[in-house]
Amino acid sequence: NAGVTQTPKFQVLKTGQSMTLQCAQDMNHEYMSWYRQDPGMGLRLIHYSVGAGITDQGEVPNGYNVSRSTTEDFPLRLLSAAPSQTSVYFCASSSQGRYEQYFGPGTRLTVT
Amino acid sequence: AQRVTQPEKLLSVFKGAPVELKCNYSYSGSPELFWYVQYSRQRLQLLLRHISRESIKGFTADLNKGETSFHLKKPFAQEEDSAMYYCALQNSGYSTLTFGKGTMLLVSP
Repeated sequence: NAGVTQTPKFQVLKTGQSMTLQCAQDMNHEYMSWYRQDPGMGLRLIHYSVGAGITDQGEVPNGYNVSRSTTEDFPLRLLSAAPSQTSVYFCASSSQGRYEQYFGPGTRLTVT
Repeated sequence: AQRVTQPEKLLSVFKGAPVELKCNYSYSGSPELFWYVQYSRQRLQLLLRHISRESIKGFTADLNKGETSFHLKKPFAQEEDSAMYYCALQNSGYSTLTFGKGTMLLVSP
């Protein structure tokens, strides 16, 4: 099992550009989430999904869109990148009824 | 609203010294608390869950509901313990976590 994978590992965007961060898991987990990690702020929840076709907002959803058409994939879209979105983004998955969250390796995004 | 507070950004100790990373929480129900660890250039991974009461890599954490605390302890720190430690509270519905801001532990030789 590859676990949770994320692409790309690094990305530099200009303000106003759009892009999609990819996240996939091969553990058949129902739950998937996106967090952003900023110095001194810890990890904050952006969006999450409890199953295919079901998504909801987390603590800091503005400027991001998600969709979940399959169990395996949970892409995060930046509609119009802003410097405030410079961060490290982590995707996580977990199984219904199980407590442990499995994290991907992260995507380091810089917006100039 | 639920909240997790880790008051120390950085904790620096010498090898062999005891370590205590503090975590306090605010939650109206019965909390599910965890410690996650992120070693340099690695992904976040679960270290401890309060219900399991296990000792992982020599670390223990006890839930104190009276003090709303879940401090992480180790009697003798090792250099390989150097990492970022996050205390986390499971959100209702079990699918997501609320994290503290993290404490960087540096263990010097």
